[in-house]
Amino acid sequence: DTAVSQTPKYLVTQMGNDKSIKCEQNLGHDTMYWYKQDSKKFLKIMFSYNNKELIINETVPNRFSPKSPDKAHLNLHINSLELGDSAVYFCASSLSLRTSESYEQYFGPGTRLTVT
Amino acid sequence: GQSLEQPSEVTAVEGAIVQINCTYQTSGFYGLSWYQQHDGGAPTFLSYNALDGLEETGRFSSFLSRSDSYGYLLLQELQMKDSASYFCAVKVNQAGTALIFGKGTTLSVSS
Repeated sequence: DTAVSQTPKYLVTQMGNDKSIKCEQNLGHDTMYWYKQDSKKFLKIMFSYNNKELIINETVPNRFSPKSPDKAHLNLHINSLELGDSAVYFCASSLSLRTSESYEQYFGPGTRLTVT
Repeated sequence: GQSLEQPSEVTAVEGAIVQINCTYQTSGFYGLSWYQQHDGGAPTFLSYNALDGLEETGRFSSFLSRSDSYGYLLLQELQMKDSASYFCAVKVNQAGTALIFGKGTTLSVSS
C-alpha cells in the first residue's frame, strides 16, 4: 500500500488553464504539506495543514489554493497557470506538527507539472 | 532570511567514505534532518539530529554542532545506489513551520 499518493503523476497544460492535484495519505498522520521543487531541485514549502486546518501559507500567489476535506487528503488547485508554475509538486505528511514528530516527513511520488 | 549551505556536487568511488556538510543560518533551530532523493523520485528521510553529536543508522551517520550551526551526513562503504541528491533541512519553529531545505548535494558514486 502506498503511504502517500498523488494524482496525476504528470500534468501538461497550457497557460491560463486551471488544474488540480490530489494527495492522499494512509498513514494516519495529522499534518500534510505541499512542496514545490523547481528545475534546480530547490524544495520549498508552500502550505502546511494540520487536522484540516491551514497552518502555513508561505509567500505563494493566491492562484494556488489548497483544500483539505479531511486529514487524510490535501488537494492543490491552481488557477490561471503560468509558465513559472512548471515544477514538481510534492505532497508530504508527518505524524503531527510537534518537533519530535514533524522532522520525519513522508513524501508522495510527486506531480510533474509542465505549463506550455 | 533563512539559508542552508551545502556543496552542490560530490563525487566518490564505491567503497569510499564521503561527508556532505551543511551550514545553516536560520531564525530558529529545532533540529537538522537529512533526506535522500534519487532522480525522478521523492525525498526520503534519512536521519535527524536535535542535539549535538553523532547519530548512526547503518552505513549513514549524521552529526550536529549547534554552536557552529553546522552538521554533516557521513556515508560509508559507498554503493552505486547511493548516487542521489542529499538535502539537509532545518525545522525553524517548534510548531507551525515546515522544514526549510538546503539546495541539495548531488552525490555521484562510480565503480
